[in-house]
Amino acid sequence: KQEVTQIPAALSVPEGENLVLNCSFTDSAIYNLQWFRQDPGKGLTSLLLIQSSQREQTSGRLNASLDKSSGRSTLYIAASQPGDSATYLCAVVSSNSGYALNFGKGTSLLVTP
Amino acid sequence: EAQVTQNPRYLITVTGKKLTVTCSQNMNHEYMSWYRQDPGLGLRQIYYSMNVEVTDKGDVPEGYKVSRKEKRNFPLILESPSPNQTSLYFCASSLVRQGNDEQYFGPGTRLTVT
Repeated sequence: KQEVTQIPAALSVPEGENLVLNCSFTDSAIYNLQWFRQDPGKGLTSLLLIQSSQREQTSGRLNASLDKSSGRSTLYIAASQPGDSATYLCAVVSSNSGYALNFGKGTSLLVTP
Repeated sequence: EAQVTQNPRYLITVTGKKLTVTCSQNMNHEYMSWYRQDPGLGLRQIYYSMNVEVTDKGDVPEGYKVSRKEKRNFPLILESPSPNQTSLYFCASSLVRQGNDEQYFGPGTRLTVT
């Protein structure tokens, strides 16, 4: 069964820092990988989707990379802002999962002014 | 505006009283699914539907029912809710077309069963 792990579980950085969130998965037979943002008690907002054939995706200050063979993805946030404070979730769709998203437990990010 | 909507957003009920959480999407997506989110356990899929009249179990289907009579709607039914079904529930939808299969989530329904 696909296992998704996110490290670190929590992160606190001062405003302006560049930071990297890590995601690893055990089964490299994935269809795609998606990064989400979740604010406390709120829904999930899709940030970036990387298909299995792609190496990275970029949106504004966010860049996500995918190394399928090693089972890893990173989310890079440039010039962090207090508004970036949230929980970031990584999820993969495995090739045999019926399009179910397998989620990591998330990284809780706090960006301090 | 393209979106997934859920109702109600908050619900407190008692053990055994049947309830339905509605989910609707306006993006003409074939694929819809339900997840529950619990502290320490993360998000887990309950049921999913690949298209109208096609549904299947996810990882934690016990105690839940679903139906897909129309493409846009995918209600989650708890016939006899129990306290262990207290959770935050999310509905999601997707086109499920290669290269364009981003999954979109609703705002969530916080359910408390006493």
